Amino acid sequence: GAGVSQTPSNKVTEKGKYVELRCDPISGHTALYWYRQSLGQGPEFLIYFQGTGAADDSGLPNDRFFAVRPEGSVSTLKIQRTERGDSAVYLCASSPDIGGRSYNEQFFGPGTRLTVL
Amino acid sequence: AQKVTQAQTEISVVEKEDVTLDCVYETRDTTYYLFWYKQPPSGELVFLIRRNSFDEQNEISGRYSWNFQKSTSSFNFTITASQVVDSAVYFCALSEAVQGAQKLVFGQGTRLTINP
Repeated sequence: GAGVSQTPSNKVTEKGKYVELRCDPISGHTALYWYRQSLGQGPEFLIYFQGTGAADDSGLPNDRFFAVRPEGSVSTLKIQRTERGDSAVYLCASSPDIGGRSYNEQFFGPGTRLTVL
Repeated sequence: AQKVTQAQTEISVVEKEDVTLDCVYETRDTTYYLFWYKQPPSGELVFLIRRNSFDEQNEISGRYSWNFQKSTSSFNFTITASQVVDSAVYFCALSEAVQGAQKLVFGQGTRLTINP
């Protein structure tokens, strides 16, 4: 079956611009995660959705970052007034999480490489 | 705070050698989960294994084996008879369960290069 997909695969933008990154999770997965991976580092948690609601957004670096998942499936990560420091690979993962159990595997997408010039 | 340390930044070995990737973690939780992921050059993270904190049995899957020791807070990964296709960045991660979230806390990764 289809895995997690992310679009675009690459995005180049100029400092100060607004960008949207899209994630299509595996069908039926209720949990969706966004992570950010800077060069040479491990992924860092940004936000977690259980269904339509953001259950934990403690990893968002500041109020320029926002994410939505209006119908409980596709999610969009939005970054306003982009800065050069936002350049990274943004990874999305989904999981058949039910009831907050901690052991379900997260299936990762290929990521969107964001470059802010 | 939870933390995962992978002290080996890069490892390079010749094909068919055995190689062990180290992972040390810190957590105050009594219930937690540990993971290993592989990130090949394509960039997509591939799940390898999950262990819970109550199960310290070592696990073997083909050429891969994992050694979980709570006494030393370590979860090491060994590849036996390495192959060129094993070349990738490997991440160890710890699952932090807060309000139902399964936030993964990743180490910095170990870049493994297998030379023919």
